[in-house]
This record gives sequence, structure tokens and C-alpha cells, in this order.
Amino acid sequence: GENVEQHPSTLSVQEGDSAVIKCTYSDSASNYFPWYKQELGKGPQLIIDIRSNVGEKKDQRIAVTLNKTAKHFSLHITETQPEDSAVYFCAAIHRDDKIIFGKGTRLHILP
Amino acid sequence: KAGVTQTPRYLIKTRGQQVTLSCSPISGHRSVSWYQQTPGQGLQFLFEYFSETQRNKGNFPGRFSGRQFSNSRSEMNVSTLELGDSALYLCASSLELANTGELFFGEGSRLTVL
Repeated sequence: GENVEQHPSTLSVQEGDSAVIKCTYSDSASNYFPWYKQELGKGPQLIIDIRSNVGEKKDQRIAVTLNKTAKHFSLHITETQPEDSAVYFCAAIHRDDKIIFGKGTRLHILP
Repeated sequence: KAGVTQTPRYLIKTRGQQVTLSCSPISGHRSVSWYQQTPGQGLQFLFEYFSETQRNKGNFPGRFSGRQFSNSRSEMNVSTLELGDSALYLCASSLELANTGELFFGEGSRLTVL
């Protein structure tokens, strides 16, 4: 079955700097890769996603890149702000299988 | 449009007891999936229900079960509770199957087993 590894588990960046979170997956048949953000006391919320027919997707300060050959995908947040502090989860999804999430990255934005 | 509602938000049980958690999906959503969140293991998929049928199941023991009603509301049950069952239980709803698009999560039910 699918296995998703997410790194780092904790990340601290200065406000205004960029943050990058990386995930690798094992099942080459996975074709959908969402990223979820979980703020304290709340459920995760989708922030961006990418499908296997696209290499990169951007939405304002957030971007996701996908390397199918290497089986890894990354979340990039530029010009970080205090409200970006949260736990971020990646997931790799095969259409015929269950959803496998990474173990999460706790992002701290330092003032 | 109301979001996903989970009840109860917090509960404390003792070992050996059983617990039932409830999830009301967004109106019109047919899929409800359940996840266990713990600090060490992140988000782990429990099962998914779609149109009252279990569509997929994670690697959890048979003590964990669920069901979905005709109005798409779902319940999950954990019997013979163990200390390790202490976790935040999240449900998510989606228009179609959970592995096809965006999941909308509730705020979770935090279970503490003493």
C-alpha cells in the first residue's frame, strides 16, 4: 500500500522568509496530492492540491510542485506571515485506494 | 452553508467502556470519512461511508466500527476502549468519494480514555 513520509516534523522560519515542506510517496499510481492546514483547535482545511498531470500549481503565496519520477512533492510558502503558523499535512491518493496522510509539519513563524 | 458538525466535542471514558461519536456532513455531501489524530501518528484513516455503504477501511481493529444513515449522517463506535484510543477523532465530508477531491473536516471529538 501507499506510504507517505513528510519532512521536517517541525519548522521555524522568520516572518517574511519562505518555508518549504517536503513529502515522498511510494505508490507510483497515486495521482492526487492535497495539502491541508490545521490551526489550533480546528479541523484541517485544504489549502492547495495538485494532480499528477501537472508539475506545479500556485495560489498567491502558496505553491506546490510535483516530481512524479522521484515520487515527491513539496509545499512552498513565500513571504510568511504570523497566520501561517499551523500544522500542515500532505496526502497522496490513489483513486482506487484510501487516503494516506503524512505525519504533519508544525510550522512556527517567528516575529 | 453549515459546515461539518461533530458531537460531542470532548468526552472522557474509562478502559473497557464503549463510545459513539456523531458526524453531520455538509448538506448534499454523500461521503463521510473518519480519521484518528494522535501526536505521534498524525492523521490515520479509519473508514469511509458513501451512500450508507462502507467503501474503504483503514488498518484498525474490529473494535472500531461505523455506519451511515440515509441522511448521510454518520456515527463511529469504539468498543472495549483502551488507553491508546485516546485521540482526536475527525470526520470529513465530501461531495463524492473521499479520494477524488476536497475533504471538509469537522473540528473533531477529543476522546480521553482513563
